[in-house]
Amino acid sequence: QVQLQESGPGLVKPSQTLSLTCTVSGGSISSGSYYWSWIRQPAGKGLEWIGRIYTSGSTNYNPSLKSRVTISVDTSKNQFSLKLSSVTAADTAVYYCAREDYDILTGYYFDYWGQGTLVTVSS
Amino acid sequence: SSELTQDPAVSVALGQTVRITCQGDSLRSYYASWYQQKPGQAPVLVIYGKNNRPSGIPDRFSGSSSGNTASLTITGAQAEDEADYYCNSRDSSGNHRVFGTGTKVTVL
Repeated sequence: QVQLQESGPGLVKPSQTLSLTCTVSGGSISSGSYYWSWIRQPAGKGLEWIGRIYTSGSTNYNPSLKSRVTISVDTSKNQFSLKLSSVTAADTAVYYCAREDYDILTGYYFDYWGQGTLVTVSS
Repeated sequence: SSELTQDPAVSVALGQTVRITCQGDSLRSYYASWYQQKPGQAPVLVIYGKNNRPSGIPDRFSGSSSGNTASLTITGAQAEDEADYYCNSRDSSGNHRVFGTGTKVTVL
């Protein structure tokens, strides 16, 4: 059973960089044809896709966040990471990591999610 | 447009059927997936592809699609189905993902 766990600071100051790591257990991050994704959810609001990375290092980012987002992968540690620069209060949210699977018959879908971690941007 | 629009809220009587819709231009080309989220919990995949359920998801959940609209149907809604539901699909570029605005389902 694949499990994902987010970790990182729960409080970040405005204008600084938010950094989170997702640790994958129960399987190798390098095996299969999966994308590893970050998704966030401000309190009381909907889900927002941030971006994803393939184990080859190929990335796709939400156009609205692209200038501030970097997602990287460390296969030796079975982890992938999110960096979001120049944060403001609007970046306060629960951040989820998730695995995205793909099948030619069914398309893409997020089949495993972390429990989420709250990041607050405040001085 | 890369937006996916859902009705904000729907209600259903216990044991009855409710359909949740998701509208967007990209749905003419790509499948939607559906996620159930209960308060304080991470989303859970309930439907993907044409009409596929992950292991452990009750068969009262089903999916369908027509034109620019994807639908999630709960047949015989149970109290535990009360939750927020989100659709997700690709945007028009195919490389990015978009979540629907979300629908709160209340079971009366």
